[in-house]
Amino acid sequence: EVQLVESGGGLVQPGGSLRLSCAASGFSFSNHWMHWVRQAPGKGLVWVSRINNPGSGTVYADSVNGRFTISRDNVKNTLYLQMNSLRAEDTAVYFCATIGSVDYWGQGALVTVSS
Amino acid sequence: QAVVTQEPSLTVSPGGTVTLTCGSSTGAVTSGHYPYWLQQKPGQAPRTLIYDTSIKYSWTPARFSGSLLGGKAALTLSGAQPEDEADYYCLLSYSDTRRVFGGGTRLTVL
Repeated sequence: EVQLVESGGGLVQPGGSLRLSCAASGFSFSNHWMHWVRQAPGKGLVWVSRINNPGSGTVYADSVNGRFTISRDNVKNTLYLQMNSLRAEDTAVYFCATIGSVDYWGQGALVTVSS
Repeated sequence: QAVVTQEPSLTVSPGGTVTLTCGSSTGAVTSGHYPYWLQQKPGQAPRTLIYDTSIKYSWTPARFSGSLLGGKAALTLSGAQPEDEADYYCLLSYSDTRRVFGGGTRLTVL
């Protein structure tokens, strides 16, 4: 069974940091580009970042560029999102996903940025 | 960063046909944007219905189809069912390999 399980979400103060993890199982994780997508409460989907198979190529949305870092460990079959300098507007559910000819999504991790 | 536009809301009668569209602030949407269409129901993670303009997954109901129409990507639902009531998002790819979601269309089957 294919699973993507996000973890690491929680409450953090503005300016703080958090690292999300996405543990993959049931498919060849190292063969797929991976993405982070977020959704603020009651709002639409927003694409955040993607990383290529080996982890050497990354791209970010303007809103997080310079603050967030995507990475992966193909031995541990895990995707990461390091989030620094967090702002209230970063409050959202964060999903990891494959988004491609193979479509797998996690159930999401809630990140709340508030004092 | 490009802006992707969708109808905020649409209503379709049960058994009816409706077309959702997806435009780009950079110009015409083409196959080179590899348009995706995703469905999201309340409290659930999104699920992609269509990728690369018109290709379906094994789970995509036959009543959904994707195309390019008048410079936009389009998702057509023919024979709407009550379970099709959901939010629909398009996702476009750009030359720097960034992706951008549209604002979503809330589809009501009524």
